[in-house]
Amino acid sequence: QKEVEQDPGPLSVPEGAIVSLNCTYSNSAFQYFMWYRQYSRKGPELLMYTYSSGNKEDGRFTAQVDKSSKYISLFIRDSQPSDSATYLCAARNFGNEKLTFGTGTRLTIIP
Amino acid sequence: EPEVTQTPSHQVTQMGQEVILRCVPISNHLYFYWYRQILGQKVEFLVSFYNNEISEKSEIFDDQFSVERPDGSNFTLKIRSTKLEDSAMYFCASRHRTSPLHFGNGTRLTVT
Repeated sequence: QKEVEQDPGPLSVPEGAIVSLNCTYSNSAFQYFMWYRQYSRKGPELLMYTYSSGNKEDGRFTAQVDKSSKYISLFIRDSQPSDSATYLCAARNFGNEKLTFGTGTRLTIIP
Repeated sequence: EPEVTQTPSHQVTQMGQEVILRCVPISNHLYFYWYRQILGQKVEFLVSFYNNEISEKSEIFDDQFSVERPDGSNFTLKIRSTKLEDSAMYFCASRHRTSPLHFGNGTRLTVT
């Protein structure tokens, strides 16, 4: 079983729509959860960083972690064409250096 | 905003040759990493480095790979004898004590 699973998409939505991106994970020891955005031929860029369960909001982005169901979500409000990228979820244990990534979801926002 | 910088952006090498990929982490960061991403696949952990030694490595990081922090600012990944399957994007990352990882833009390694 893959440790972090993510639907690779592609996902296309019209500009202004709310985007919902999701991951599931199997390792109950994961405590830190991240969302990265990756543009073509660029490195992953950190969007959101959360510890344990709960919600975190930053501008148009909201990250949710539900540890009871091992489910991670990222919501993008008022989506813009510049949000078109691949979105990677990632997780790691406390005291463990290794970050485990999902496959990434390719998102296109249609103007 | 400070960033992780990697050079070169693209490296082409012949099978069996040695390559060194270079990174300058963010200046006050203490933990350093290499990840790789084979085309169309997940970003995969290779190695972490703290206090001048490897703190963790994956099964990918075999004897052909080594890392070094030669001068207190650079962080390098050496592949001793490259194979075709080493072709990938290699990302350097760094973090401070409690912060999440910040990645560079990667070096695309092509082994022919």
